[in-house]
Formats: sequence, structure tokens, C-alpha cells
Amino acid sequence: EDQVTQSPEALRLQEGESSSLNCSYTVSGLRGLFWYRQDPGKGPEFLFTLYSAGEEKEKERLKATLTKKESFLHITAPKPEDSATYLCAGELSGGYNKLIFGAGTRLAVHP
Amino acid sequence: NAGVMQNPRHLVRRRGQEARLRCSPMKGHSHVYWYRQLPEEGLKFMVYLQKENIIDESGMPKERFSAEFPKEGPSILRIQQVVRGDSADYFCASSPSPGELFFGEGSRLTVL
Repeated sequence: EDQVTQSPEALRLQEGESSSLNCSYTVSGLRGLFWYRQDPGKGPEFLFTLYSAGEEKEKERLKATLTKKESFLHITAPKPEDSATYLCAGELSGGYNKLIFGAGTRLAVHP
Repeated sequence: NAGVMQNPRHLVRRRGQEARLRCSPMKGHSHVYWYRQLPEEGLKFMVYLQKENIIDESGMPKERFSAEFPKEGPSILRIQQVVRGDSADYFCASSPSPGELFFGEGSRLTVL
């Protein structure tokens, strides 16, 4: 069964304390691995898409990496405004954006 | 360039009524997706549409739910005879092509 699992469920960091969020997946024929940020009461905000093992993408304090079984979202020197829920999703085979989402990691960054 | 626009943002219905949720994709996007987020659960795919065509509705309940994306106007997700279990956040997303998917702010449906 296709599945995406994120850990930890919740993470509390001090401002400036770097860490990583994990996304492990078992998706047959995975086409892409998506990362989103979701603030309370808002829709998911697109961050990255990764397509092949070894690929890395960066945006400000965020860097996403992909292996054959998991993806990591590294947060370097986080700030309170990075507090949000981070969602990982695998794109199922089919050639379009049919995604299977994990439950998310709730990140809280305290000053 | 305006983002994906959804309305209403909040909708309250009594059991047995109909709910209609509307979605206007980003300009230039011809692919529309609907996802549902139940309380304390992850987003779940419901349906994928292109103009006037339903491409994949495998995530949509067989009864009471329907979706359309007409040649003119927004995409509409319709839920007939709503029940309490339909209470959720419904998100629309659009893309210009595979690989990028942009979500709207969502419509929260509350069934009393």
C-alpha cells in the first residue's frame, strides 16, 4: 500500500537551533516528492519538488534532500516565522499531480 | 497573478442540505484538483479535472459527491445531502503542468 510517513509529529526548536524533518515513503512508481508549508487556516504553500535520489533543493533556510526511501527537510538557524506545519507528499504514477500526503510535522520555533 | 481562489471560505449546512464549493484556478492553469482534509488527518486526493473533463475521480466517494470544471467559469465541488462526516476543509489546487501544484486557501464545511 502506498504510504507517506512523517516524523516527528511535532518539533519544538529554539531560534537558531538547526534540525531536520523526516519523510519516509513507500510509493510504487514514485514520480516526485513534494514539500509544502501550511500555516493555520491557510492552504499548503509549495516549497519544493524532488525527482531523483541525490537531488537537493534550497530556499532560504530550508534545504530538501531525497534518497530512494526518504526525504529530509533541513532547517538551518530557524526563526519564529518558520513555525508552521510542514507536509510531505509523494506523487503517484500517472503523469499528473495526484499526491499522497503525510500527516505533517508541526514545527514551533521559539525566540 | 492572483492565486487559486476558493469560495466560500466558510460554509455551514444542516444535515441533508447541499453544499457547493467553487474554485477558480490560477490564470493559465487548466488542471484542477480537489483535496479534502479531515480533522487531525492529512490531505486526501479526491478528483482531478481538466476543462470539461473528469480525468481521475478515484478519491471521491461514489455517492453524493460530484465535481465539474466547465468550459467557462470555476470548478465546482458539489456535495448533496450532507452528513456530519462531510465536515472538513476542502482544498482546490491548480497546476500549469505536472511538477508544480498550487493550493487555494480552502473552504471549511461545517455540517450541523
